[in-house]
Amino acid sequence: KQEVTQIPAALSVPEGENLVLNCSFTDSAIYNLQWFRQDPGKGLTSLLLIQSSQREQTSGRLNASLDKSSGRSTLYIAASQPGDSATYLCAVNSAGNMLTFGGGTRLMVKP
Amino acid sequence: DAGVIQSPRHEVTEMGQEVTLRCKPISGHNSLFWYRQTMMRGLELLIYFNNNVPIDDSGMPEDRFSAKMPNASFSTLKIQPSEPRDSAVYFCASSLTTTETQYFGPGTRLLVL
Repeated sequence: KQEVTQIPAALSVPEGENLVLNCSFTDSAIYNLQWFRQDPGKGLTSLLLIQSSQREQTSGRLNASLDKSSGRSTLYIAASQPGDSATYLCAVNSAGNMLTFGGGTRLMVKP
Repeated sequence: DAGVIQSPRHEVTEMGQEVTLRCKPISGHNSLFWYRQTMMRGLELLIYFNNNVPIDDSGMPEDRFSAKMPNASFSTLKIQPSEPRDSAVYFCASSLTTTETQYFGPGTRLLVL
């Protein structure tokens, strides 16, 4: 059974810092990995999707990498802003085309 | 496109009552997913459909839960009878195929008293 872990569970940084969120998964037989953002009381917004054959994806200030063999992904946020404050969720699409989510990293960027 | 639409946005009911949650996926998407989010268990997949057919319902907690997708533009998740432990936020998501980006609705916040 796929298990997804996100570290740290919470993170507080000053505005302007570059930061890295970590995601690890136990079964490397995956189709893809997605990073989502969730604002309080809201649904999930997809940020990046990395196919199993890819090493990284970039969107604006966000860069996600994937090392399938080691079961790890990172989400890099450059020049963080207060508007980046949210919970970031990693989800792995593996056997049965089912997404398994990590517990999330709650990010606060202080002005 | 309006995105994934869910209704109601909030539901408060008493234990034992039937609850029906509704979802309209993004037009043209062939896959639809129902998730439940709680503080204790995080986000869990309950069931998903591909081309209106239920593919995997192994996440449905028990027989009190049922889901249908009568056509490509509508799905329901029903809980009968509801219990306080069913209180959670229920999300519906859709995607072009099962391996592509999933787009989530705003969720239904359910409280069972």
